[in-house]
Amino acid sequence: EVQLVESGGGLVQPGRSLRLSCAASGFTFDDYAMHWVRQAPGMGLEWVSGISWNSGSIGYADSVKGRFTISRDNAKNSLYLQMNSLRAEDTAFYYCAKDMGITASGNFDYWGQGTLVTVSS
Amino acid sequence: SSELTQDPAVSVALGQTVRITCQGDSLRSYYASWYQQKPGQAPVLVIYGKNNRPSGIPDRFSGSRSGNTASLTITGAQAEDEADYYCNSRDSSGNHVVFGGGTKLTVL
Repeated sequence: EVQLVESGGGLVQPGRSLRLSCAASGFTFDDYAMHWVRQAPGMGLEWVSGISWNSGSIGYADSVKGRFTISRDNAKNSLYLQMNSLRAEDTAFYYCAKDMGITASGNFDYWGQGTLVTVSS
Repeated sequence: SSELTQDPAVSVALGQTVRITCQGDSLRSYYASWYQQKPGQAPVLVIYGKNNRPSGIPDRFSGSRSGNTASLTITGAQAEDEADYYCNSRDSSGNHVVFGGGTKLTVL
């Protein structure tokens, strides 16, 4: 059974940093691209960042470029999102999602349950 | 980057057919995927590619594309289909992914 379990969310002050993790199991992690997608409370889905199977191709939404860094450790079956210079508008549930391809196809067949990040003073 | 546009809300009578649309320039090059999200739950993939359903998705869900518009059709809508539906695709550059704003489906 495929499982994606996010962790690392919480309350953080504006301007501070937070690191999210996603532990993957039930599939061959290094065969697939992975993504972070966020959803502000009551709002729609927003793609944040994606990384190919071997970290050779990485992309970011304009809203987080230069502040967020995605990475993966295939030996640990884990995906990460380092979030720096956090803003109130970064407040959202952050989902880890598995792509169906080795690079970003846009087809996300499995999602975690999400971790809530709240940016507030 | 490019955008995908969805109608904010659509309603359908129980057992009838409904089409939810998604418009954007990237759809001329890439197929849309469709996701169903119920309150308090993570999104679930219901359609991907030309018209593919993941295992466990009922065959009343189907997808199509014409020009810059992708459509999700539910034939014989059920009460349990009431949810938010999102489309996504790779953007025009091919390096990013973009989501539509979502459509709230009400089954009457």
